[in-house]
Amino acid sequence: NAGVTQTPKFQVLKTGQSMTLQCAQDMNHNSMYWYRQDPGMGLRLIYYSASEGTTDKGEVPNGYNVSRLNKREFSLRLESAAPSQTSVYFCASSVSGGAPDTQYFGPGTRLTVL
Amino acid sequence: AQSVTQLDSHVSVSEGTPVLLRCNYSSSYSPSLFWYVQHPNKGLQLLLKYTSAATLVKGINGFEAEFKKSETSFHLTKPSAHMSDAAEYFCVVSESVDQLIWGAGTKLIIKP
Repeated sequence: NAGVTQTPKFQVLKTGQSMTLQCAQDMNHNSMYWYRQDPGMGLRLIYYSASEGTTDKGEVPNGYNVSRLNKREFSLRLESAAPSQTSVYFCASSVSGGAPDTQYFGPGTRLTVL
Repeated sequence: AQSVTQLDSHVSVSEGTPVLLRCNYSSSYSPSLFWYVQHPNKGLQLLLKYTSAATLVKGINGFEAEFKKSETSFHLTKPSAHMSDAAEYFCVVSESVDQLIWGAGTKLIIKP
């Protein structure tokens, strides 16, 4: 089992460019999440998908869009990248999304916006 | 409103000595509490979680944490540090899936 996979691992963009971060899980989990991690701060939730066909905003959704393509895949899109979006992005999944649920994380995507 | 405070940004201990990473939280309800670990340039892994069962929770790699409601604390401990424990540790409080609040992290440094 690969668990949670993310592509790409690294990306450099210029301001205004767009890109999509891909995430897939093979654990048959219902819920999936996108976080960003900035130095000196904990992870902050961007968007989540409690189940296939649903998505909801997290703490910091501005500048991002998501698509829950199917049960396995959850993508994050930056339509017009800004330097403030330079960060490490983590995708995670969990069985059901309830409060005590364990989340399983991918290895992360390090994004730099110039 | 929920919040999490990890009281130390860095903790340095010698190999073989005890580890204490401190976490205080505030929550309106009975929260779930977690500790996650992130090794350098790697993803995050669950160490342990508290979900209103036993107040002393045992996790992987010899770590444990005690939920103290009166002190609103959930400190992480290990009796004897190992070099492989060097990592960043995050305390997390959750009342619901869209209110998962992460602490800023504590970097654990192990001296030989």
